Amino acid sequence: QVQLVQSGPEVKKPGASVKVSCKTSGYTFSGYYIHWVRQAPGQGLEWMGWINPNSDGTNYAQKFQGRVTMTRDMSLSTAYMELSSLTFDDTAVYYCARAPPRHFDYWGQGTLVTVSS
Amino acid sequence: DIQMTQSPSSLSASVGDRVTISCRASQSISTYLNWYQQKPGKAPKLLIYGASSLQSGVPSTFSGSGSGTEFTLTISSLQLEDFATYYCQQSYSIPRTFGQGTKVEVK
Repeated sequence: QVQLVQSGPEVKKPGASVKVSCKTSGYTFSGYYIHWVRQAPGQGLEWMGWINPNSDGTNYAQKFQGRVTMTRDMSLSTAYMELSSLTFDDTAVYYCARAPPRHFDYWGQGTLVTVSS
Repeated sequence: DIQMTQSPSSLSASVGDRVTISCRASQSISTYLNWYQQKPGKAPKLLIYGASSLQSGVPSTFSGSGSGTEFTLTISSLQLEDFATYYCQQSYSIPRTFGQGTKVEVK
């Protein structure tokens, strides 16, 4: 069965970077884009960008341009999202999701990133 | 960016009620509209894609309609497990954008 399993919670200081992983299984990793979506506490869903595992192409939301990097490791069927220059406003649950291609049919369980001094 | 606006932001309903949630796009998005359900502490779950296609495994009490700028999610008979927050999302263009959510609460 299709599964997306994310790395565990992180606590970071302002100015630091965080890298979240999304390990996939149960399907052909190269066949589906992976999108990243975040949700601040008590807030709605915010799209961050996508990576095409097949081509390594990426597309980031303007808001995160210059601060986010999405990568993948084909040998591990794993996607990564790294966010740098963290501020308190980056405290959120970060989700990866599979996109076939214009909707998100499977999601990871979420990774809580807390930015705290 | 395409703005997605849901109404209402919250509603109270009883088991068995028919519930309707609206979603409006700031420009035409054809039928590139998806609906998700989210329960506290859980990842969103896809209910409807392409405005009206029911995702596999989702009960037929859920249905979606609309095109252009106006869309509707209908729950024909609300069940206890349906109390949750619902989000619409456009997949017409990048950036993908979500509505602000509609919380369905117990009356």
